Parts: sequence; structure tokens; C-alpha cells
Amino acid sequence: EVQLLESGGGLVQPGGSLRLSCAASGFIISNSAMSWVRQAPGKGLEWVSVISADGYTTFYADSVKGRFTISRDTSKDRLYLQMNSLTAEDTALYYCAKGAASTGGFDSWGQGTLVTVSS
Amino acid sequence: DIQMTQSPSSLSASVGDRVTITCRASQGIRNDVGWYQQKPGKAPKRLIYAASSLQSGVPSRFSGSGSGAEFTLTISSLQPEDFATYYCLQHKTYPLTFGPGTKVDIK
Repeated sequence: EVQLLESGGGLVQPGGSLRLSCAASGFIISNSAMSWVRQAPGKGLEWVSVISADGYTTFYADSVKGRFTISRDTSKDRLYLQMNSLTAEDTALYYCAKGAASTGGFDSWGQGTLVTVSS
Repeated sequence: DIQMTQSPSSLSASVGDRVTITCRASQGIRNDVGWYQQKPGKAPKRLIYAASSLQSGVPSRFSGSGSGAEFTLTISSLQPEDFATYYCLQHKTYPLTFGPGTKVDIK
């Protein structure tokens, strides 16, 4: 069974940094593209970033480009999101999502980790 | 970037009703669309992929159709557990973009 478990969220001051982690089980992350998707309180879903299955290609939403970095550790089956220069607009529940290789989109999601940016 | 719009933004319906939600893309995206259901406090769950293929384990009352730039999600007979928010997602090009969501609640 595929499971994704996010961690690393919390309260951070504006301008601060945070690193999110997603532990994957039930599959090998080097076989799947992996994304981060976020949801601000009471708002819709926003795709944030993706790392390709081979790990060589990454993409970012314009809203986070230059501030966030996606990475992975295949030896640990873990996905990461390094978030720098955080602002209040980054306050959200951050989901880790597994890409569906043959069909596109996401076939599995974690339960999310909450990031709150506030002074 | 490809923009996704959804209509309606919300609807009230009764158990047993037929419900249709529409998603429009700002440009043609073939059939590179999925539909997701999200209940309060829960992660999204994929219902439909490739515009019209039913995700394994999803009840057959859910169906999707469309191609190009207009897509629909239909629930043939609304059940109590279907009250939720529904999102479309285009995955033709990055950045991936979701529709703003359609909240389905009880009339």
C-alpha cells in the first residue's frame, strides 16, 4: 500500500526558512515524479513543485520560484521541500503527492503538514 | 500558463440528484485532465483520470467526459458521502493548474 507521510511544518516568522519532508512507503520514489501541492486555509489547491522520476528535472510555480527547492533522497525514499524567504502568503497545508506515471496527475496524497508564517 | 475555470463554484443538491460540474481550460489540453474530490480535513482523492477513465475503487456513479478545452464531471445519483469539494487538474504542461473548485452541499 502506498503511503506518504509529511513532516516539518510549523510556525515560522516572515523571512524565515523551513524544510518539509515526505516519507514514502509502498513504492520506490525513483520510479515516480513527486510533487508538492499546497492549500491555504479555506482556499483551493495550488501545485507548488515537481521533481521528475529520474531526479534531473524540476519545475516550480511562479509564486515560489527562486525561494523553494525540491529534492529527494532515494536511499531513504524521502522527498523534501526547502522553503526560504517565507511570507504570510506561504501559509498553507502542504501535501506531498505521487505522480501517476502512465496517466498523469496524482494517484496518492499524504495527509499534509501545516506551515504558518506569522510574527 | 494554462488557466482552469470551473462552474458552478458551488451547488446545493439532494440525495439522488444528477450533478454536473464543468471545467474549462484556457487552451486545448487534449484529455490531460483529472478530477479530484476533497472532503473537509482530508487529502484530495482522484476520481477520474485522462478526462474519462474511472480511478480504481471509485463508484461507477462518477463519470467524466470531454476533450480539448471543456470537460465535465457527472455524478449520476448523488449519495450522502459525495458532499465535498471537487477540483479539476490539468497536467498537460507545467505549471500544473487546478480549477478553483466546486463545493457540493446538501439542499
